[in-house]
Amino acid sequence: GEDVEQSLFLSVREGDSSVINCTYTDSSSTYLYWYKQEPGAGLQLLTYIFSNMDMKQDQRLTVLLNKKDKHLSLRIADTQTGDSAIYFCAESYSGYSTLTFGKGTMLLVSP
Amino acid sequence: NAGVTQTPKFQVLKTGQSMTLQCAQDMNHNSMYWYRQDPGMGLRLIYYSASEGTTDKGEVPNGYNVSRLNKREFSLRLESAAPSQTSVYFCASRHSYEQYFGPGTRLTVT
Repeated sequence: GEDVEQSLFLSVREGDSSVINCTYTDSSSTYLYWYKQEPGAGLQLLTYIFSNMDMKQDQRLTVLLNKKDKHLSLRIADTQTGDSAIYFCAESYSGYSTLTFGKGTMLLVSP
Repeated sequence: NAGVTQTPKFQVLKTGQSMTLQCAQDMNHNSMYWYRQDPGMGLRLIYYSASEGTTDKGEVPNGYNVSRLNKREFSLRLESAAPSQTSVYFCASRHSYEQYFGPGTRLTVT
């Protein structure tokens, strides 16, 4: 079945870059997503990438996709304390199919 | 627009009690979802509704029922609550590839 794996915890200092990694097993995954969850809140879509892309940049966020290795990463440049949250990787077969989420990576940014 | 709203925000139930979690969206989305979030488990899909009048089971449907009352509302019912259903429940609606999440309901079953 489908599976999405993430490391559970990452700690960085303010101003450093953060890299959160994700691997997935379903080779037919077409849409790959990064969601952010702040304490006590629901999930918010940060960014997404289609499987025919290798990279997507959006301000401080860079998503890299290695389709051969089924590996997705999220790089946050100049990480701020406000970036402290749980980050979820997710995948779906199509834009209208259900999402499969990883267990989430807790990012802690210290001053 | 309020987006996706959920009620209640918090609930404590005794084992065996029943309750309904309410969810509504004002974005005219066709698809709606119910997830539960448990520590170390990420989000797991309970039920979803691809459109008004249809519902389908997700990964963990046992112990739950759903009703898609109309396009706006999608409710989740626990008929006989169990401690294993202690969790945070999220409702979401979808437009194209993006899911929009509600703020969650924190449920404790004692």
